[in-house]
Amino acid sequence: QKEVEQNSGPLSVPEGAIASLNCTYSDRGSQSFFWYRQYSGKSPELIMSIYSNGDKEDGRFTAQLNKASQYVSLLIRDSQPSDSATYLCAVNFYGNNRLAFGKGNQVVVIP
Amino acid sequence: GAVVSQHPSRVICKSGTSVKIECRSLDFQATTMFWYRQFPKQSLMLMATSNEGSKATYEQGVEKDKFLINHASLTLSTLTVTSAHPEDSSFYICSARDRGGGGETQYFGPGTRLLVL
Repeated sequence: QKEVEQNSGPLSVPEGAIASLNCTYSDRGSQSFFWYRQYSGKSPELIMSIYSNGDKEDGRFTAQLNKASQYVSLLIRDSQPSDSATYLCAVNFYGNNRLAFGKGNQVVVIP
Repeated sequence: GAVVSQHPSRVICKSGTSVKIECRSLDFQATTMFWYRQFPKQSLMLMATSNEGSKATYEQGVEKDKFLINHASLTLSTLTVTSAHPEDSSFYICSARDRGGGGETQYFGPGTRLLVL
């Protein structure tokens, strides 16, 4: 069964530090990868998409993709209390028109 | 990014009634929309894939006769929860797939919180 895994538990980081989130996926043929942020009681919000190996930066966010190792990560630089949320990794498996989501990682930024 | 709206944002109904939730893509056409359900502190659960002009594809364990989906246009999909019961109380979220820009990004609506009394 094709899977997306986010294994680490809640992540607490001090304000201003870097938060690092990792995600692995099972389908080597996957082409599209996404990170969503979900605040408590709200729907997911797209923050990053990445399709090619390497890094993609957008403001304080950097997504990193390594297709050979089948992982995608998200770095949040200069973490702010407003970054406190659950971050969902999503993968569009090859030949499938829907996204597979990981269970999410909760990030808590401590002022 | 693309904008997806949902209506209503919150609904309270009596057990046995039906509730319709609308999902609209406001600035792009979406041949495919998705309906999710999320219980408190749990992951998103995909209920069904809604395809414009054709029948929806339901996930295993989701009753198609209870959760009616209509995707009548490229910008509108509706989910009707028929004969709702308290166990149907949940956060229902739609998403729409935007194929623009060479990718296949899903954008989520703000969600509909359903409470069945």
